[in-house]
Amino acid sequence: GQNIDQPTEMTATEGAIVQINCTYQTSGFNGLFWYQQHAGEAPTFLSYNVLDGLEEKGRFSSFLSRSKGYSYLLLKELQMKDSASYLCAVRDNTNAGKSTFGDGTTLTVKP
Amino acid sequence: EAGVTQFPSHSVIEKGQTVTLRCDPISGHDNLYWYRRVMGKEIKFLLHFVKESKQDESGMPNNRFLAERTGGTYSTLKVQPAELEDSGVYFCASSQGYWDGYTFGSGTRLTVV
Repeated sequence: GQNIDQPTEMTATEGAIVQINCTYQTSGFNGLFWYQQHAGEAPTFLSYNVLDGLEEKGRFSSFLSRSKGYSYLLLKELQMKDSASYLCAVRDNTNAGKSTFGDGTTLTVKP
Repeated sequence: EAGVTQFPSHSVIEKGQTVTLRCDPISGHDNLYWYRRVMGKEIKFLLHFVKESKQDESGMPNNRFLAERTGGTYSTLKVQPAELEDSGVYFCASSQGYWDGYTFGSGTRLTVV
């Protein structure tokens, strides 16, 4: 099975940089996803890492270290609209489509 | 393109009744998933369709839950009879390939009273 840990809550200031960590212990691994979920809305796909290293997409970057079972999502130039829950999800290697989600990190961006 | 559509958005039913949730995935997405978020807990996998076939239904809690995807297009998830612990938000998601991120629907908030 999969065990995924991420901080419950984080607070940051508009314009700043924030790093949301995710650690996982898995019986199999086929990639790690980050999703953003605003309150009352559907999660939306942000990024995908399957190999070690950094993937950059505009203000958002995601990093993966498979040997350490560790990933982080980096958000730069924070905006108020970035206040949301950020979900880390690990893809299974027994069923390539299935993902196991962490509880999510609620990020609050303050002016 | 149209996104993933779920119906209804909210449902309140009494314990023992039946409810059917519907999901219309993005056209052309062979992979369709059902997930559930119970209050205060993480999003949990229920099952995965590839076209009309069940690829993995290991997350279905018990035989009160029945999912179908006739013709490989839309899917339904029926709960019969509903119990109090079935309350939660049921998300449907689709993806074109296994390696793609999911596109989620807005979810169905089910409340069993």
